[in-house]
Amino acid sequence: GENVEQHPSTLSVQEGDSAVIKCTYSDSASNYFPWYKQELGKRPQLIIDIRSNVGEKKDQRIAVTLNKTAKHFSLHITETQPEDSAVYFCAASRSYNTNAGKSTFGDGTTLTVKP
Amino acid sequence: NAGVTQTPKFQVLKTGQSMTLQCAQDMNHEYMSWYRQDPGMGLRLIHYSVGAGITDQGEVPNGYNVSRSTTEDFPLRLLSAAPSQTSVYFCASRVSGRARTDTQYFGPGTRLTVL
Repeated sequence: GENVEQHPSTLSVQEGDSAVIKCTYSDSASNYFPWYKQELGKRPQLIIDIRSNVGEKKDQRIAVTLNKTAKHFSLHITETQPEDSAVYFCAASRSYNTNAGKSTFGDGTTLTVKP
Repeated sequence: NAGVTQTPKFQVLKTGQSMTLQCAQDMNHEYMSWYRQDPGMGLRLIHYSVGAGITDQGEVPNGYNVSRSTTEDFPLRLLSAAPSQTSVYFCASRVSGRARTDTQYFGPGTRLTVL
């Protein structure tokens, strides 16, 4: 089955700095890679995702890059703000078939943005 | 739309008791999943369903049963609760692969404590 490793487990940055979180996956058939943000006591919410036919995707201060050959993908947050403080999870899954119901998650990164 | 709803929000059980965690969605999503989240870990897939009448096991299915008699509902049954099942449980849903979109929507979670 799929195995997703996420690093670092904790990350502390100053407000305004950039933050980068990295994930590696094992199943070369995985083709959908979402990132979720989870605030304390809340549900995970999708913040950005990328498919295997794309190398990079941006949405304002957030970007995700994918290296299919190396089987890793990264979340980049620029100009961090205190409200970016949360736990971030990456995930990997196969899309467009019956296995699409199965997502494998990384263990999460606790991001703290210090004012 | 209410999205994905879960009941109860909190539950305390004694070892050996059984109970059902309820999950419902009103978005006509075919795929539904149950995850558990333990401290310091990501979400681990318990069971999932790709449509009414179809269920399959995830990474950690032991001690749990599911059924999917309707598109809307996907209850999770704990047969004989154990302290190791103390966790936060999230239900999630998404449209089918035919829709070529993979966004997964999570419910608010059920915090379960087994004494």
